[in-house]
Amino acid sequence: GIQVEQSPPDLILQEGANSTLRCNFSDSVNNLQWFHQNPWGQLINLFYIPSGTKQNGRLSATTVATERYSLLYISSSQTTDSGVYFCAVGGGNTPLVFGKGTRLSVIA
Amino acid sequence: DAGITQSPRHKVTETGTPVTLRCHQTENHRYMYWYRQDPGHGLRLIHYSYGVKDTDKGEVSDGYSVSRSKTEDFLLTLESATSSQTSVYFCAITGQGAFNVLTFGAGSRLTVL
Repeated sequence: GIQVEQSPPDLILQEGANSTLRCNFSDSVNNLQWFHQNPWGQLINLFYIPSGTKQNGRLSATTVATERYSLLYISSSQTTDSGVYFCAVGGGNTPLVFGKGTRLSVIA
Repeated sequence: DAGITQSPRHKVTETGTPVTLRCHQTENHRYMYWYRQDPGHGLRLIHYSYGVKDTDKGEVSDGYSVSRSKTEDFLLTLESATSSQTSVYFCAITGQGAFNVLTFGAGSRLTVL
């Protein structure tokens, strides 16, 4: 099945810093989504982005499907950005496969 | 949680006992999923449903069964719980096709002693 690798596994930032999270996948996909899991365990969808670029406030994402990767950018990070960020991918009508996540800690 | 309710939210049980987790949605979405989350493994798919009485296995389906008799309810059953099934279980839904946004419930924490 499709493999999803996220990097880095852990990231510590000072408040106000910018960061880039990466998601590599092993096969063609037509569904890619980014999620944030907050420290209380809640999973929130950030982006549905099988290709192209999207922005939502301080967050933006870019997927280059032909090169099999996606990037999540966090600008001017805040302590509320802390948590785990997951990338998930799928092809055809198959369910999403998740990466192991990037754990982000933003320090005030 | 976008009309998704999981119950129970927390459960402690003993090895060998049956356990059923319930996922209820009010969105009338076709697709429903059960994932488990464990440290170091991210989220792994257990079973999913693409309609009433239509289900299929995921990556880690051994030891689990599911049922979907109504659009709004998706049940996950552990026939005889084992300590390796201690985990946090998440239900999720999407709309028509598998291409819409995946939305999660709040999770159910299960501890098997």
